[in-house]
Amino acid sequence: AQKVTQAQTEISVVEKEDVTLDCVYETRDTTYYLFWYKQPPSGELVFLIRRNSFDEQNEISGRYSWNFQKSTSSFNFTITASQVVDSAVYFCALSETQGGSEKLVFGKGTKLTVNP
Amino acid sequence: NAGVTQTPKFRILKIGQSMTLQCTQDMNHNYMYWYRQDPGMGLKLIYYSVGAGITDKGEVPNGYNVSRSTTEDFPLRLELAAPSQTSVYFCASSYSRDTQYFGPGTRLTVL
Repeated sequence: AQKVTQAQTEISVVEKEDVTLDCVYETRDTTYYLFWYKQPPSGELVFLIRRNSFDEQNEISGRYSWNFQKSTSSFNFTITASQVVDSAVYFCALSETQGGSEKLVFGKGTKLTVNP
Repeated sequence: NAGVTQTPKFRILKIGQSMTLQCTQDMNHNYMYWYRQDPGMGLKLIYYSVGAGITDKGEVPNGYNVSRSTTEDFPLRLELAAPSQTSVYFCASSYSRDTQYFGPGTRLTVL
């Protein structure tokens, strides 16, 4: 069965520090997608990135970067120069293909607190 | 586009009561999903639909029912509310097997 592990339950940093959120996944699918979502204190889920299993290129978007390594089944997320507004719970998710639909299996999330 | 909208935002139910959580999307997405999020946990899939008239169970379907009569709407029905159904419920939609976009959530408490 698909599984996503986010071993870091909570992380606390001071503003401007870099922080990496870890995500390890298990799947038997050869084609799959990995996602990161952000859940700020207001509660909504904000899509950050979607990565195809065939594309192992790292991605950078402003202060955010993602490192996808198939060899270690990891899809880590780094925030550079963190800001207070980055405080949120971050979820890593893996797509599971079943019944013709793409269903997401979520990790338990990492709560990031950025202190001023 | 409003995206995915959910009503109500909050609700308190007594044990045994029933209610329907509404979900509407205006992106013409064919796939829709219902998840629940318990405190300190990730989301778990309750039901999903790949198109109007087609629904299927997810990981935790017991105690819930769904219907999909239109592309836009995907209501979730709780027939006999139980304290174990206290949770935050998220509806999501996607175009085929693409990225899922989530609604703002409904916080439900069953007392």
